[in-house]
Amino acid sequence: AQSVAQPEDQVNVAEGNPLTVKCTYSVSGNPYLFWYVQYPNRGLQFLLKYITGDNLVKGSYGFEAEFNKSQTSFHLKKPSALVSDSALYFCAVRDAAAGNKLTFGGGTRVLVKP
Amino acid sequence: EAQVTQNPRYLITVTGKKLTVTCSQNMNHEYMSWYRQDPGLGLRQIYYSMNVEVTDKGDVPEGYKVSRKEKRNFPLILESPSPNQTSLYFCASSLSLGQSYEQYFGPGTRLTVT
Repeated sequence: AQSVAQPEDQVNVAEGNPLTVKCTYSVSGNPYLFWYVQYPNRGLQFLLKYITGDNLVKGSYGFEAEFNKSQTSFHLKKPSALVSDSALYFCAVRDAAAGNKLTFGGGTRVLVKP
Repeated sequence: EAQVTQNPRYLITVTGKKLTVTCSQNMNHEYMSWYRQDPGLGLRQIYYSMNVEVTDKGDVPEGYKVSRKEKRNFPLILESPSPNQTSLYFCASSLSLGQSYEQYFGPGTRLTVT
């Protein structure tokens, strides 16, 4: 069965500092990986995805993520965090071998302090 | 504007009183899905639909029903709500079930069952 782990419930970072949100996954086939962000009282918004190709994926709002097959990780990064990046972030994986089901991690709350 | 809409946004009801949460998308998407979000558990899929008249169970379908009579609409029905169905519900859609397609989420419906 596929699974996603986000080991940190919350990440605190000062504005202007680098931001990293961790995600590891487990699938039986090739993974298709996604990051979504949820702002307060809003639905989830798509940030970026890895399907194939370059391991470094660039997405919306200056975010990027690095796919690491050997470590089964897909960490989300931003070089310089903004207060407006404070939100709940979800990693998700889709496994074609599991009928294309999308499985979400538990979410990581990011708090960027001015 | 391309969007997924849900109604109502907030609902407080009593145990056993049937309710329906509507979901509509204007993007001509084939795939639609319902999730519930609970703290620490991320999003769990309730039901999904690959096209009109085609629906299937997700991870937590017990106590829920869905229908897909039109491509744009995918209502979630709770025939006899119970307190353990108190949660935040999201409807989502994507172009198809293909691995590479990201999902678009509605704004959420916060349901409280007393």
